[in-house]
Amino acid sequence: GENVEQHPSTLSVQEGDSAVIKCTYSDSASNYFPWYKQELGKGPQLIIDIRSNVGEKKDQRIAVTLNKTAKHFSLHITETQPEDSAVYFCAASISHTGNQFYFGTGTSLTVIP
Amino acid sequence: GAGVSQSPSNKVTEKGKDVELRCDPISGHTALYWYRQRLGQGLEFLIYFQGNSAPDKSGLPSDRFSAERTGESVSTLTIQRTQQEDSAVYLCASSSGPAPGDLYFGPGTRLLVL
Repeated sequence: GENVEQHPSTLSVQEGDSAVIKCTYSDSASNYFPWYKQELGKGPQLIIDIRSNVGEKKDQRIAVTLNKTAKHFSLHITETQPEDSAVYFCAASISHTGNQFYFGTGTSLTVIP
Repeated sequence: GAGVSQSPSNKVTEKGKDVELRCDPISGHTALYWYRQRLGQGLEFLIYFQGNSAPDKSGLPSDRFSAERTGESVSTLTIQRTQQEDSAVYLCASSSGPAPGDLYFGPGTRLLVL
């Protein structure tokens, strides 16, 4: 089955700096890659996603890149703000297996004011 | 509109007791998932329902765990004879499925087994 690895497990950045979180996946059949933000005491919320037919997607300060050949994808947050502090999860999905999502182990991001 | 809701929000039980967790998905969402999240860890897939198809139970860790879903509405996750290692946050999510799409998570049920 699919195996998703996520690095780093913790990340601290100064407010205004950029943060990058990287994930790798094992199954080349994966075709959908969402990123989730989980704030303390809440369920994860989708913040951005990318499908395998594109290499990059941006939404304001957040961007995701996908390298299908290397089987890795990354989340980039620019001009970080304290409210960006949360745990971020990447995931990979293989549609033909019934839409099961395989999650990374999470990155705890702290933005220092 | 209403999101995914879960109840109870917190549950404390004694080892050996049975517990039942409830999930109300977003109306019209045909896909429903249960995940387990242990403290400081990632999301562990438990079970997946898609419409009237047979559920994917491949993530259930033991026969003490079971789940049901009535049509495309409420789902219940039952843990029998709870053990301390069952302590975790149990998250429910729904999506418009079956093609890959947004997962909408509920706030979770925090289960503590003493």
